Amino acid sequence: AQSVAQPEDQVNVAEGNPLTVKCTYSVSGNPYLFWYVQYPNRGLQFLLKYITGDNLVKGSYGFEAEFNKSQTSFHLKKPSALVSDSALYFCAVRDIRQAGTALIFGKGTTLSVSS
Amino acid sequence: EAQVTQNPRYLITVTGKKLTVTCSQNMNHEYMSWYRQDPGLGLRQIYYSMNVEVTDKGDVPEGYKVSRKEKRNFPLILESPSPNQTSLYFCASSPGQGLSPLHFGNGTRLTVT
Repeated sequence: AQSVAQPEDQVNVAEGNPLTVKCTYSVSGNPYLFWYVQYPNRGLQFLLKYITGDNLVKGSYGFEAEFNKSQTSFHLKKPSALVSDSALYFCAVRDIRQAGTALIFGKGTTLSVSS
Repeated sequence: EAQVTQNPRYLITVTGKKLTVTCSQNMNHEYMSWYRQDPGLGLRQIYYSMNVEVTDKGDVPEGYKVSRKEKRNFPLILESPSPNQTSLYFCASSPGQGLSPLHFGNGTRLTVT
C-alpha cells in the first residue's frame, strides 16, 4: 500500500535561514511525488513534482525538493525562508504502476517563519 | 481565469438534512476528485471521476454520493449528514490522473450539528 509520512507537525525557522520540510514515502513501484502548499482559507496550490530524471527538482516561489530513492525521501527545501512562506505544506505520492489510484497525501507540516 | 469553484464556502446544517456541495471547473479537465481535510489526518479522497459518467470510490466514500453528468461539474451529495462529516472539503481537477498536478478549489467548511 502507498503511504506518505511527514514526521514533523511543525517547522520553525527564522527569516533568511534555510528551511527543510521532510517527507518519506512508501510505494511498491516507482513514485510520482508532489509538494503542495496551503495558505489560510485557500485550497492547495501545486509547488513541484518529481516524475523521473534529475533528483533535484525546482518549483515555484524558490522552493526545491530532493528525491532520494535509497532513503525513500522527498524533502522540500528553500535556501532562504521568507515570512510569507508560512503555510501548511503537504507531500503526496502516487505509484506509477498503479493507474487509477488516488494521490496519497501526508498529514501536513506547518511552516512558521519568524521575522 | 482558470479555476475550480466550490459553493458554498461555509455551510452549517443539522443531522439528516440532505445537502449538496457544488464544484465546477473551467479548464476542460477530465479528472475530478473530492477530498476531505481533517486535523491530523491530512487529505483523504472521497470519490473521483475519470470522465463524464465515470465515478469511483476513494478511501472514505461512506455517507457520500457524487455524479458527473457534465465534464465541468462534480457535485458532492450528503443524503443524510452526520456530525462525523463535519470537515473541510476540497474539490480538485486535473487534465488526467497520472502526471498532472491537481487544481484545487478554495474549500467548503461544513458543520453538521
